[in-house]
Amino acid sequence: KAGVTQTPRYLIKTRGQQVTLSCSPISGHRSVSWYQQTPGQGLQFLFEYFSETQRNKGNFPGRFSGRQFSNSRSEMNVSTLELGDSALYLCASSLGDLPSYRKRNEKLFFGSGTQLSVL
Amino acid sequence: GQQLNQSPQSMFIQEGEDVSMNCTSSSIFNTWLWYKQDPGEGPVLLIALYKAGELTSNGRLTAQFGITRKDSFLNISASIPSDVGIYFCAGPTHGGATNKLIFGTGTLLAVQP
Repeated sequence: KAGVTQTPRYLIKTRGQQVTLSCSPISGHRSVSWYQQTPGQGLQFLFEYFSETQRNKGNFPGRFSGRQFSNSRSEMNVSTLELGDSALYLCASSLGDLPSYRKRNEKLFFGSGTQLSVL
Repeated sequence: GQQLNQSPQSMFIQEGEDVSMNCTSSSIFNTWLWYKQDPGEGPVLLIALYKAGELTSNGRLTAQFGITRKDSFLNISASIPSDVGIYFCAGPTHGGATNKLIFGTGTLLAVQP
């Protein structure tokens, strides 16, 4: 069973540009979450989508947005890139409508991430 | 807001040694999760704890949910080189049916063969 797939693996952009990152969840998973990981701030929650609807949102500016398609694939977009947006962006998927941690046999599966560098 | 503090920040040990790390919070958590992140990869769930006082093992790993619900501990016995990585504790924010997790600051583990 294929894992969570994130593309691209690496990305270099310049300030002011915009970027779109893609995430394909594990087959059958309907929830997709996005996290930003930086050395200074650690892992921080961006947003979560379930059945094409945003279920929760972290404390990030409106330049960060996302969406989920009917096949559960998700994209996140960052507009007007800033140097501080350089980070590893991680996508995670889980099965169903209950949070994965509430089900003892269910897990949140992370992809390998997209490393974004803003110059 | 909710914060998770992990200690130690880093550990450099010899193969075969036992390792202990902990995670503390200023507020109560109803679930504690421990993840490991290998270089260049996303975090992988190691152990999940759901009840205060719960002690759960996964191979050489043992984790405990603190009685106060404000802390959790992870122990690794007889460490091996592949234990190298960053270990994170995490917990869900209160309320709502979401996968919004707060992650700890991480403990970097290096194992000398």
